[in-house]
Amino acid sequence: GESVGLHLPTLSVQEGDNSIINCAYSNSASDYFIWYKQESGKGPQFIIDIRSNMDKRQGQRVTVLLNKTVKHLSLQIAATQPGDSAVYFCAENNRNYGQNFVFGPGTRLSVLP
Amino acid sequence: ETGVTQTPRHLVMGMTNKKSLKCEQHLGHNAMYWYKQSAKKPLELMFVYNFKEQTENNSVPSRFSPECPNSSHLFLHLHTLQPEDSALYLCASRPTSGSSDTQYFGPGTRLTVL
Repeated sequence: GESVGLHLPTLSVQEGDNSIINCAYSNSASDYFIWYKQESGKGPQFIIDIRSNMDKRQGQRVTVLLNKTVKHLSLQIAATQPGDSAVYFCAENNRNYGQNFVFGPGTRLSVLP
Repeated sequence: ETGVTQTPRHLVMGMTNKKSLKCEQHLGHNAMYWYKQSAKKPLELMFVYNFKEQTENNSVPSRFSPECPNSSHLFLHLHTLQPEDSALYLCASRPTSGSSDTQYFGPGTRLTVL
């Protein structure tokens, strides 16, 4: 497959370990956040979302934490697998200001065997 | 599959060519988006359509011309592009009603301008 070619921060983790990917967002009025996963040669894939009235949400092997005080979002992946290798980026939105999302630059996750 | 398809997946064109990118969504969404993803940059919003009406043009050069004939289809017409327009062009759709605000992306068209 082809890479999107971004020179991104990279996180390398051992297979089976937990991964934590961080994102700082810009707008204190943002009230909805999404984490996306983008594999080589593919479009972004929805992983998990969270609204600003929550500070934690869990999915299957993934947890998103939201700290509105410092405008920080994190994605935790439990028992990281080789298939988790991808670029991960967050997106923020404020429904009161239209339907547009602002995307972070992304982090490349590499899972080591 | 996300329910959003894009064709072609790869496109190589010269600067004098005219081509079109197509996006189709089968999700019943009413908002559709064009994004540009190039190296060293986050996703850049280009256009937004809401119920077939353009609601956002993010200062995109006129050599990119969007068209939304209905809520399921979105086109991006390209003419006299520049090499710096080479990028991955992503289409996305989103519901405008209900509890979900999630945006779903297609696989993208990898565009190379020679």
